[in-house]
Amino acid sequence: ETGVTQSPTHLIKTRGQQVTLRCSSQSGHNTVSWYQQALGQGPQFIFQYYREEENGRGNFPPRFSGLQFPNYSSELNVNALELDDSALYLCASSFRDVAYEQYFGPGTRLTVT
Amino acid sequence: GDSVTQMEGPVTLSEEAFLTINCTYTATGYPSLFWYVQYPGEGLQLLLKATKADDKGSNKGFEATYRKETTSFHLEKGSVQVSDSAVYFCALSDRASGTYKYIFGTGTRLKVLA
Repeated sequence: ETGVTQSPTHLIKTRGQQVTLRCSSQSGHNTVSWYQQALGQGPQFIFQYYREEENGRGNFPPRFSGLQFPNYSSELNVNALELDDSALYLCASSFRDVAYEQYFGPGTRLTVT
Repeated sequence: GDSVTQMEGPVTLSEEAFLTINCTYTATGYPSLFWYVQYPGEGLQLLLKATKADDKGSNKGFEATYRKETTSFHLEKGSVQVSDSAVYFCALSDRASGTYKYIFGTGTRLKVLA
């Protein structure tokens, strides 16, 4: 059974640029959630995708957007990067019907300079 | 809204000491409760969970009991090891409008000395 994978591992961008982060769900999982973890903080919910549609969103501006593909993999896109966007971005996958239990990937460390 | 409060860290213990990390929650519904562990430079690993009141989650010597009357889910381990050094996150998951999102505490760093 393949776990949740994310790419890239690390990324450095300049303020104002755009970034795309990728996530492959654990085999068979149909729901993907994205979280932002600032240094020294707990993860904050960004949004969740189920059947290729956004299925809930946290307190993040519209410049954070996402996609889910038919194979349940997912992308997180962030436009007009700000310094405060520097964080670890975590992807978590789950079965819709057992969605209390989410499995996390290793994360992508984004640094905005 | 829902929230999770954890004790401030860091917690520094000697090997084989008893560990307690306090966690309390506020939720309008009937959440599931979790403890996750994060080792340096890594993502989150599920340590244990409890889905209803009085359930006890356990794994690798760690335990936590879902206490609805005190809205708590304290993490305990009888004898910690150096390898337990990590950051521990308490979290709840509640179904709101069909979205199973997690709400995390701020994390408690544990350092175990040999």
